[in-house]
Amino acid sequence: EVRLVESGGRLVQPGGSLRLSCAASGFVFGDHFMDWVRQAPGKGLEWIGRSRSRPNGYSTEYAASVKGRFTISRDDSQNTLYLQMSSLQTDDSALYYCIRAIPGSGYPFFESWGQGTLVTVSS
Amino acid sequence: DIQMTQSPSSLSASVGDTVTITCRASQDISTWLAWYQQKPEKAPKSLIYDASSLQRGVPSRFSGSGSGTDFTLTISSLQPEDFATYYCLQYDRYPLTFGGGTKVEIK
Repeated sequence: EVRLVESGGRLVQPGGSLRLSCAASGFVFGDHFMDWVRQAPGKGLEWIGRSRSRPNGYSTEYAASVKGRFTISRDDSQNTLYLQMSSLQTDDSALYYCIRAIPGSGYPFFESWGQGTLVTVSS
Repeated sequence: DIQMTQSPSSLSASVGDTVTITCRASQDISTWLAWYQQKPEKAPKSLIYDASSLQRGVPSRFSGSGSGTDFTLTISSLQPEDFATYYCLQYDRYPLTFGGGTKVEIK
């Protein structure tokens, strides 16, 4: 069974930094693209970024809203995905989801979601 | 960026009804579209991928159709557990973008 468990969310002051983790189990982590999506309270879903798998060079993609402030990395030996967040702003407050992406007939889509970890940016 | 316009933003329906939700992309995304169901305080759940492929374990009353810019999620014979918010996602190109969501409520 695929399991994704996020951690690291907490209250942080504006301008601060935070690192989120996502512990994966139940599948070969290193074979998969992994994504982060966030959801502000009472709002819709926003894709943040992607980490491609080792065969794809571990390359990353980011949404414009976080590019230059957030960094996605992974440790395949620990089956863990990370989201390093810096220069946090109040509108970064959200529930952050870790996602396993798999290809259907081609491009990968979001197949399994964790339960999320809550980040609150406030003074 | 590709804009995903979902409609309606909310609807009321009764158990047993057939419900249709549409998603329109601002440019051609072929069939690189997925649908998700989210219940309150829960993570989204995958329903449909590649516009019309049913995710394993999802009831067959859920179906998806469309290609290019216009897509539809249909729920046949709505069940009590189907009352939730539904989102579409385009994964044709970066940034990946979601529709604004459709809340399906009990009439």
